[in-house]
Amino acid sequence: DAGVIQSPRHEVTEMGQEVTLRCKPISGHNSLFWYRQTMMRGLELLIYFNNNVPIDDSGMPEDRFSAKMPNASFSTLKIQPSEPRDSAVYFCASSLRQGKEKLFFGSGTQLSVL
Amino acid sequence: KQEVTQIPAALSVPEGENLVLNCSFTDSAIYNLQWFRQDPGKGLTSLLLIQSSQREQTSGRLNASLDKSSGRSTLYIAASQPGDSATYLCAVRREAGAGSYQLTFGKGTKLSVIP
Repeated sequence: DAGVIQSPRHEVTEMGQEVTLRCKPISGHNSLFWYRQTMMRGLELLIYFNNNVPIDDSGMPEDRFSAKMPNASFSTLKIQPSEPRDSAVYFCASSLRQGKEKLFFGSGTQLSVL
Repeated sequence: KQEVTQIPAALSVPEGENLVLNCSFTDSAIYNLQWFRQDPGKGLTSLLLIQSSQREQTSGRLNASLDKSSGRSTLYIAASQPGDSATYLCAVRREAGAGSYQLTFGKGTKLSVIP
């Protein structure tokens, strides 16, 4: 298995632009998580999907952030408009059984908003 | 609210030394605890997962213990190697209930193994 696949690996954009991050979870995993990692705050859960349905989006910082999971093999995290304070590493992770099993992370997207 | 603390934030040891990384959590009502490794510029890799009913888990040179009642876990690395250099994070999953799917992460311990 190729593991959790995220794209792009790096994204540099200007303030105000739309950013879309993509994730392909491990086949068969029914739980998908989007995390954000910064030096100051560590790892923060943004949103959790179970069986493609958003269960908890309370970690999404603002309405500028949105996430979708149209099918079991694809999810997107969109920021529109982007701001410099959104600069961080965004991780997608997948698991079985609502996260009761090991959590598998993608390599992350390093986002820089200038 | 669950809080996870890892001390020290950074650790430097000579190659071959045995070492222990510490993790403490404030709420003992956990479902399981995971230890992760993160290499620079990479994602997290799950090393060991301990269920709340277990006392320890072993994988190769790694041994993780859990004392749920005291809110502590340790990760023991035997015969450390330069390739073990990375940041190690622990994360706890709460017992069943609202938000139980969430993991609460510590800030990690950055380990450097000097050749």
